Amino acid sequence: GEDVEQSLFLSVREGDSSVINCTYTDSSSTYLYWYKQEPGAGLQLLTYIFSNMDMKQDQRLTVLLNKKDKHLSLRIADTQTGDSAIYFCAESIGGTGTASKLTFGTGTRLQVTL
Amino acid sequence: EAQVTQNPRYLITVTGKKLTVTCSQNMNHEYMSWYRQDPGLGLRQIYYSMNVEVTDKGDVPEGYKVSRKEKRNFPLILESPSPNQTSLYFCASSSSLGANVLTFGAGSRLTVL
Repeated sequence: GEDVEQSLFLSVREGDSSVINCTYTDSSSTYLYWYKQEPGAGLQLLTYIFSNMDMKQDQRLTVLLNKKDKHLSLRIADTQTGDSAIYFCAESIGGTGTASKLTFGTGTRLQVTL
Repeated sequence: EAQVTQNPRYLITVTGKKLTVTCSQNMNHEYMSWYRQDPGLGLRQIYYSMNVEVTDKGDVPEGYKVSRKEKRNFPLILESPSPNQTSLYFCASSSSLGANVLTFGAGSRLTVL
């Protein structure tokens, strides 16, 4: 079955880069996502990558996908205190319209220190 | 504003007292889903619905019921809540087209005593 794993905690200093890692087990994943959860709020989509891509960049965010190793990472450049949150990796199996097959990781809590 | 609205946001109840958490979306999404979030376990899917009158079990459906009589609403029903259902619950929806991007509600924190 599907399993998505993340480390539970990451601490970085303001201005440094953060790298949050995720491993997944199902090679038939079609989309992989990063969601952000701020305290007391729901999850918000940060970015996603289609499985035939290796990299996607969006302003301070860079997503790298290594399909061979089933490894996904999220790099946040110039990390700010407002980036402190829990970050969830998720995978979608199957094509469009198959949101029912979304599997989430346990979440990585990012703490940004001054 | 496109959104998913859950109510109540916070609820403390007692074992066995039936409760319903409502969820409504205004984006005309076909797909809706309920998740629970517990420390160290991430998000686990309870039930989902691909469209009106179509519902199916997720990974942890025991103790929960759902219904989808209208496209916009997807209530979560706990017929006889127990303390192990104390959790943070999220409703989410998405279109049947595109990259399966979920829009989440703000969450409902439920405590069962």
